[in-house]
Amino acid sequence: DAKTTQPTSMDCAEGRAANLPCNHSTISGNEYVYWYRQIHSQGPQYIIHGLKNNETNEMASLIITEDRKSSTLILPHATLRDTAVYYCIVRVSGGGADGLTFGKGTHLIIQP
Amino acid sequence: DTGVSQDPRHKITKRGQNVTFRCDPISEHNRLYWYRQTLGQGPEFLTYFQNEAQLEKSRLLSDRFSAERPKGSFSTLEIQRTEQGDSAMYLCASSPTRGFSGANVLTFGAGSRLTVL
Repeated sequence: DAKTTQPTSMDCAEGRAANLPCNHSTISGNEYVYWYRQIHSQGPQYIIHGLKNNETNEMASLIITEDRKSSTLILPHATLRDTAVYYCIVRVSGGGADGLTFGKGTHLIIQP
Repeated sequence: DTGVSQDPRHKITKRGQNVTFRCDPISEHNRLYWYRQTLGQGPEFLTYFQNEAQLEKSRLLSDRFSAERPKGSFSTLEIQRTEQGDSAMYLCASSPTRGFSGANVLTFGAGSRLTVL
């Protein structure tokens, strides 16, 4: 699996857009980019995933660069409940276990 | 609620005792995963089942650890002769065989926190 690099921590003001970067310069053509988050003392929660195109759902938007070597997760209007550790993961789909390999993620702190 | 359920949520035990955790996945999911998470780290993959078959085990899963999924529904993770280093959150996740959009999205439970004294 391709390795990802994320900042250790970030701050964002409540109500503003939170932009979380992720570098995955060794990503392969068949690897998806997944984002999960983990609120304190809970299990990880799926946010969004993408392959090549930008994606949006009710939680967030995922912007993937054209060369696929980096991506940005955007929380459009951050609230205090968005304070969590955010994990960017790249993983090939199909074959093997499809288990996800988590790094240390980005600790996002939403400031009131 | 049809999410992933884990039991117990918290377990405190003395070193050398055996402990068992149970996971009930989402009913229509036939893939089930166990992860371990220590303080300040991301979850680490332990093992994976497709239906009742255990298809992959991490090097982290020592011979004191055993996982089963006898009927392809719930799963148990047993740790024998616990050590203080086993203290961690044990997370269970499940997913359908074919994820939408060709991807594999895991749904996690809240975890079982183990403290070994």
